[in-house]
Amino acid sequence: AQSVSQHNHHVILSEAASLELGCNYSYGGTVNLFWYVQYPGQHLQLLLKYFSGDPLVKGIKGFEAEFIKSKFSFNLRKPSVQWSDTAEYFCAVIMSPDTGNQFYFGTGTSLTVIP
Amino acid sequence: DTGVSQNPRHKITKRGQNVTFRCDPISEHNRLYWYRQTLGQGPEFLTYFQNEAQLEKSRLLSDRFSAERPKGSFSTLEIQRTEQGDSAMYLCASSAKGGAPNEQFFGPGTRLTVL
Repeated sequence: AQSVSQHNHHVILSEAASLELGCNYSYGGTVNLFWYVQYPGQHLQLLLKYFSGDPLVKGIKGFEAEFIKSKFSFNLRKPSVQWSDTAEYFCAVIMSPDTGNQFYFGTGTSLTVIP
Repeated sequence: DTGVSQNPRHKITKRGQNVTFRCDPISEHNRLYWYRQTLGQGPEFLTYFQNEAQLEKSRLLSDRFSAERPKGSFSTLEIQRTEQGDSAMYLCASSAKGGAPNEQFFGPGTRLTVL
């Protein structure tokens, strides 16, 4: 079955630490990949997306993600986190973009950054 | 505010009652999605409209759930004979027209509590 896995459920980091959040999906065809962020009390916002081309994509607020097709992964990274990055992060995948537009979401990773 | 809006933001109801939620997408977007999010989970796809046509429905959408988008603008999601298991955040998202899947813009959600 098609699914998206985020293995890190809760991550606690100190400011300036580096961040990497894992995202894996199970689907052998073409995918479109997204990372969304939900700050406390706010709605989901797009961080970055990958459709095709360079597998290393850069998003807002210094975030980037790398699509590794052979590993079915799309991990999110940031070299130096800030307190304001405290939020819930969701990986989302569109599988079979030619036939469907629904997002499959991971369960999310809660990031707490300690000042 | 030109984003996706949802009303009401919170709804408390007794088991067995019917509830209806409304979503107003971004005005130029022709695609509209409904998701359900429970605590500790990522959003789960419920249904998708392109203009007024309902093109996809999840198996999560039981016969107690119905969604409409009569004029291709706003959409309503109705739950009949609510059950405690329906308690969740109901999210609406919209995306622009175009051949390829695009970023979905999310609304703030309607939090439903069934007593």
